[in-house]
Amino acid sequence: GDSVTQMEGPVTLSEEAFLTINCTYTATGYPSLFWYVQYPGEGLQLLLKATKADDKGSNKGFEATYRKETTSFHLEKGSVQVSDSAVYFCALSEHGNKLVFGAGTILRVKS
Amino acid sequence: GAVVSQHPSWVICKSGTSVKIECRSLDFQATTMFWYRQFPKQSLMLMATSNEGSKATYEQGVEKDKFLINHASLTLSTLTVTSAHPEDSSFYICSARGQGHETQYFGPGTRLLVL
Repeated sequence: GDSVTQMEGPVTLSEEAFLTINCTYTATGYPSLFWYVQYPGEGLQLLLKATKADDKGSNKGFEATYRKETTSFHLEKGSVQVSDSAVYFCALSEHGNKLVFGAGTILRVKS
Repeated sequence: GAVVSQHPSWVICKSGTSVKIECRSLDFQATTMFWYRQFPKQSLMLMATSNEGSKATYEQGVEKDKFLINHASLTLSTLTVTSAHPEDSSFYICSARGQGHETQYFGPGTRLLVL
């Protein structure tokens, strides 16, 4: 079945550091790919998404590119802020059906 | 826009009792709602999918008689954990999706502790 694997955390960075959170997937077809973020005490929010190969999703300085050849959707940000501290979930969905989530990666940004 | 609420946010109950969790879409009509369960330091696992006015579709391994789902209106779905036991203690999260839309909007979750 479909699955998502993302790097284990926590990831601890200093403010303005470069962020990469790796995500790879296994799917039978051509899924849509998502990054969700969960800030402390809040629900999951959609951060960005990509629906086909080579698409780049971007939002709030975060980017991720749908790489079909490596089945990856790594999340990047050039300069993180303390306010980016949260849990980040990579997920996929085939044909608009159920979401399959990765385990989540905790990001802690120190000032 | 696209706000989903859950109530209650915390619930503690005795073993053997039933607990109802509500999920509401506040500013859109949710034709489909999803219920997830999340154990500590683990991912979200889909429990069931419900379409308004239809019976819920449960994922493999989820007991439909134990986790009763009702989606009677376009803005409300409920999950009832019947005869709760300590192993049902978990974080329950709902999400909602509008007609023709792919994006799911998530509620803040409900933490259940069964003593």
